[in-house]
Amino acid sequence: GAVVSQHPSWVICKSGTSVKIECRSLDFQATTMFWYRQFPKQSLMLMATSNEGSKATYEQGVEKDKFLINHASLTLSTLTVTSAHPEDSSFYICSALDTTHITYEQYFGPGTRLTVT
Amino acid sequence: AQKVTQAQTEISVVEKEDVTLDCVYETRDTTYYLFWYKQPPSGELVFLIRRNSFDEQNEISGRYSWNFQKSTSSFNFTITASQVVDSAVYFCALRYNYGQNFVFGPGTRLSVLP
Repeated sequence: GAVVSQHPSWVICKSGTSVKIECRSLDFQATTMFWYRQFPKQSLMLMATSNEGSKATYEQGVEKDKFLINHASLTLSTLTVTSAHPEDSSFYICSALDTTHITYEQYFGPGTRLTVT
Repeated sequence: AQKVTQAQTEISVVEKEDVTLDCVYETRDTTYYLFWYKQPPSGELVFLIRRNSFDEQNEISGRYSWNFQKSTSSFNFTITASQVVDSAVYFCALRYNYGQNFVFGPGTRLSVLP
């Protein structure tokens, strides 16, 4: 199957700093990518839908000014957590939509574990 | 509303026992896909199976089997002769709206004891 990578796989940052997480589709072009957040012992919750060349669509309750999403190319979407705080510590997972097949598969990245101290 | 329910929060079994993980879904779409994913402690989601709404055939893959019943909106997952390596969190998920939307169930944490 297709591969989606994320970088970094884990990051520790100090409160008040910003962190950028990259999501790449390695062998297909993805006009749409998704960002999920997973708190410990909870399920994955969709944060936003990222569309190449346009603004991201955020789910209710997700602060768009805090979680900046940029989808500048067909293979790369980035999530920047601005002015991170300990409550932003979470596991962030991206997925990319492969529209080359009629089934519109979504492939998930391996996740990025963010710890804010 | 689109929703996935996994009634079992945690299950513990002893190795070699069979275990069934329940999944019930809700959707208004006539075309949709159902998935099971395994999430080991590393966090990376491991794809197990996809089933589309028009294919109600049960599937078996090694020790894993799935029972899809549209009449009860259920997509249950059975592990036969469980092993310690099966210990993980298992998520049932629903994809709808022509593949644009994904909703995950709350997950079932399976512990297989030696």
